[in-house]
Amino acid sequence: AQRVTQPEKLLSVFKGAPVELKCNYSYSGSPELFWYVQYSRQRLQLLLRHISRESIKGFTADLNKGETSFHLKKPFAQEEDSAMYYCALAAGNQFYFGTGTSLTVIP
Amino acid sequence: DAGVIQSPRHEVTEMGQEVTLRCKPISGHDYLFWYRQTMMRGLELLIYFNNNVPIDDSGMPEDRFSAKMPNASFSTLKIQPSEPRDSAVYFCASSLRGRPLHFGNGTRLTVT
Repeated sequence: AQRVTQPEKLLSVFKGAPVELKCNYSYSGSPELFWYVQYSRQRLQLLLRHISRESIKGFTADLNKGETSFHLKKPFAQEEDSAMYYCALAAGNQFYFGTGTSLTVIP
Repeated sequence: DAGVIQSPRHEVTEMGQEVTLRCKPISGHDYLFWYRQTMMRGLELLIYFNNNVPIDDSGMPEDRFSAKMPNASFSTLKIQPSEPRDSAVYFCASSLRGRPLHFGNGTRLTVT
């Protein structure tokens, strides 16, 4: 069965410190993975998709099929990065979301 | 494009009342999804449509919930009767050929 796991519900880092938000998935097919971000009381916005292999707002994520992971990383956290982050797996026509990680960047 | 438009933004109602949430997807998108977001369970898929046809409603909690998509530019999610445990943020999302998802601003529902 398809499953997305984000082990950390809450994550706090200091401004300027590196940040890594973990995401592991379970899927028997070829995975297509995404990161969505939700700033306070706003809509979820697409941050990254693995097939694009791009860096958005300094964030990157690499798909590791061996470890079935798609961790989100940023070398230097900024206060404006404080938000809720969701990892999502697209399987067929459905999206499966993790439970989210709330990131707080401490000034 | 204005994006996915949901209304109302906030809804406060009393237990037992009927609640109707509305969604206008992005023009041209052929998929529409309804999600519920709570602190405890995160984002849960309730139902999704393809070309206005419901494809999977297995996430709808119970018969009190129903969803329709009468045309390509409009969908509703109805709860009748509403209960306090239905309090959550309800998101509508649309996509072209399944991905990526574009979300609306959500409707924050409070049932007292």
